[in-house]
Order: sequence, then structure tokens, then C-alpha cells
Amino acid sequence: AQSVTQPDIHITVSEGASLELRCNYSYGATPYLFWYVQSPGQGLQLLLKYFSGDTLVQGIKGFEAEFKRSQSSFNLRKPSVHWSDAAEYFCAAANGGSQGNLIFGKGTKLSVKP
Amino acid sequence: NAGVTQTPKFQVLKTGQSMTLQCAQDMNHEYMSWYRQDPGMGLRLIHYSVGAGITDQGEVPNGYNVSRSTTEDFPLRLLSAAPSQTSVYFCASSYSPRQGASEQFFGPGTRLTVL
Repeated sequence: AQSVTQPDIHITVSEGASLELRCNYSYGATPYLFWYVQSPGQGLQLLLKYFSGDTLVQGIKGFEAEFKRSQSSFNLRKPSVHWSDAAEYFCAAANGGSQGNLIFGKGTKLSVKP
Repeated sequence: NAGVTQTPKFQVLKTGQSMTLQCAQDMNHEYMSWYRQDPGMGLRLIHYSVGAGITDQGEVPNGYNVSRSTTEDFPLRLLSAAPSQTSVYFCASSYSPRQGASEQFFGPGTRLTVL
């Protein structure tokens, strides 16, 4: 069955430190991949997406993600975390076909220490 | 553009009551969907629609009905509310039925409590 796994439920980093959030997928073929962010009490906002081509994808708010086919991973990174980055982050995947519904990971909650 | 709007923002129901969660988008998107979000579970797809008059079931459709009479609106109906339906509900839309090829835009959510 298709699935998306985010191994870390909760991560705490210090402000200014680097961040890496992990995401692994299990699909028959390479899916389209997404990272969304959800601030408390809010909807989801797309940070970045990967369809094909360059495996390093740049997104909004200084985030980037790297697609690694050999590891079935799409990890999210940021070189220097700001207090406003505290939120929940969701990795999602979809088939490229006509019924490419999103499958979400269970999310990683990011806390930022001052 | 208002984007994706949802009403109400909060709702409390008693077991057995019915209600409709409203979702509308003004972006002329073909694809619309409903998710529920529960702690530790991520978002799970309830129903989706690839265009007016076309709907289909997602991962967790039981207890919910949908219809798509217009491009703009995609209401979610709870026929007989149960405590297990206590959740936060998100509506989303995107340009193409091949929604994996385009960004999904999410509404602000409806927080539903069933007593």
C-alpha cells in the first residue's frame, strides 16, 4: 500500500540552528512530493513541491528539500531556524495519474527554543 | 480572491444530529476534496470531486456524503453525527483533476465536536 512516513513526531531546535525533517515514501513509482506547514489553528500552506528534474527544490520561507530516489526520501531542510517556524510540518505524496489523491504523513511538530 | 472558504469555523453537535459543512472556492478549480485531521493521524481524505457532478470516495468516507452541483461549492454532509466524527475538517481545491500535478489550496478548517 502507498504510504508516507515521517519518523519524528516532535523535534525541538534552538533558534538559529539548522533543521532537517525526515520524510520517506512507499509508492510503486516516483510520486509527486510536497511539504506543507500548518501553524496552530490554521490551514495548510504549501512550502515546496517536487515533480521531476532537479532533485534539490527551493521553497518559500527559506526552506529546501532534497529528493533521493535511492532512499525513497524527501527531507526538508532549513539552514537557520526562526522562532516563527514553530509549526507542524506535513509531507505528502500523490501519483502522477488522473486519480493522484494526496497521502499525508502524520506530521512533525517543530518547537523552537529561544 | 477569497480562495477556499469554509463555514462554520466551529460547531458542536449532539450524537445523531445532521449538519452540512460548507466549502466554496472562487479560483475556478476543477478538483475539490475534504480531509479530516485527527491528532497523530495526519490528514485523511474523506471524499473528492474532479468536476461538477462527479464525486468519489477517499480513505475514510463512512458517515459522510458529498455533492458537487457547481464548480464553486463542495458541501460535506454528516448524516447522523457520532463522537468518532469529532475532528477538524479541511476543504481543499486545485486546478486540475490530476491534482498531483498542481498545488492544493486549503481552507481554514472547521472544528467539529460531537457530544
